[in-house]
Amino acid sequence: SQQGEEDPQALSIQEGENATMNCSYKTSINNLQWYRQNSGRGLVHLILIRSNEREKHSGRLRVTLDTSKKSSSLLITASRAADTASYFCATADYNQGGKLIFGQGTELSVKP
Amino acid sequence: DAEITQSPRHKITETGRQVTLACHQTWNHNNMFWYRQDLGHGLRLIHYSYGVHDTNKGEVSDGYSVSRSNTEDLPLTLESAASSQTSVYFCASSRDSRFGNEQFFGPGTRLTVL
Repeated sequence: SQQGEEDPQALSIQEGENATMNCSYKTSINNLQWYRQNSGRGLVHLILIRSNEREKHSGRLRVTLDTSKKSSSLLITASRAADTASYFCATADYNQGGKLIFGQGTELSVKP
Repeated sequence: DAEITQSPRHKITETGRQVTLACHQTWNHNNMFWYRQDLGHGLRLIHYSYGVHDTNKGEVSDGYSVSRSNTEDLPLTLESAASSQTSVYFCASSRDSRFGNEQFFGPGTRLTVL
């Protein structure tokens, strides 16, 4: 079953604005990852945050993790039309081996 | 450059036929996964493998099988295709858990069962 619940399901913003997507999960994790999927393509890994980390940055991406609330957020700053894609969170529990459990995704549309 | 490929990229078949989707990776990853993606369901795990001769069922494994005879390949077989198996199929690979489980995805196969 899907562990991650993503919010919102769809988000439409103007170029230059910030986009925030949220992910909640149910069980204990070792890390949480965010992926992007452009239309008709496979998923691409964006960033990984470990369970003992609270915040991580990569370029225009900022990820936070609150293990007490079992939630994470992905912030894309100064968005561009090229950021238009679906974004998925995925959780890893090493007791489950190499599997990831994916959320249902947030569809982001950035209008020029 | 290392990569993960899938073939065919598009396939149309008839109900009841056996279909095999290929997945090949040159990352030398031990872990390989098959997912299906449908509107409203996100990515669902079908089968996965942690090494040669190892296979495991995922959450939606009924009607599918895999075999792992080498590190590079994990073919997915639909024994008797059904219309409910019309979907987009993704293969992925990753290193061992201690490296973080980051998965690398193939481009997908769009399968239509008529």
